[in-house]
Amino acid sequence: GAVVSQHPSWVICKSGTSVKIECRSLDFQATTMFWYRQFPKQSLMLMATSNEGSKATYEQGVEKDKFLINHASLTLSTLTVTSAHPEDSSFYICSVPLRLADTQYFGPGTRLTVL
Amino acid sequence: GENVEQHPSTLSVQEGDSAVIKCTYSDSASNYFPWYKQELGKRPQLIIDIRSNVGEKKDQRIAVTLNKTAKHFSLHITETQPEDSAVYFCAANSLGVTGGGNKLTFGTGTQLKVEL
Repeated sequence: GAVVSQHPSWVICKSGTSVKIECRSLDFQATTMFWYRQFPKQSLMLMATSNEGSKATYEQGVEKDKFLINHASLTLSTLTVTSAHPEDSSFYICSVPLRLADTQYFGPGTRLTVL
Repeated sequence: GENVEQHPSTLSVQEGDSAVIKCTYSDSASNYFPWYKQELGKRPQLIIDIRSNVGEKKDQRIAVTLNKTAKHFSLHITETQPEDSAVYFCAANSLGVTGGGNKLTFGTGTQLKVEL
């Protein structure tokens, strides 16, 4: 399977600050990456599809101006949570598909806590 | 869009018994169905997957069945062990379908507890 890393693994920030989360595909190039959010004891909800060299595609109900996604290279996608509030506290996970017709491999996740 | 339902939400079995988790999906265009195991605070790990051209797939103690007509698929774990305790998620994905976007839609999860 693919090797996917995320940084940081956890972050605590004050309300109103912005937080950047990185997702890296370590052993292959990915034109597409996915960002999910998982609240405690709930399922994974797709937030957006990150597309290398073009704009991200956001799922319904996800504010694109609040969750900024940049996919500047074939191995790195970043998610920036802008003006974070306590309700943004969650587990953010990225995933990378090896090929279009293949499964997705997940990063280790980033635990965000907004005070 | 796709909607995936998963049952039961919690499942307790005795060590050595079998466990079955069931999922249904709504989009007939879905053609790929992975199962993930997630331990507390960790990433989801793929344990088995099945594509729509196959009705059953087995990997040691784990098997998955798919009924395309009824739009449901199931995970079967035999000879359960304490280390099987985790949350299991089913998912459905439209692969290679124009506009499908290779998106995964997850079920709500099943907390499996294997008791000694």
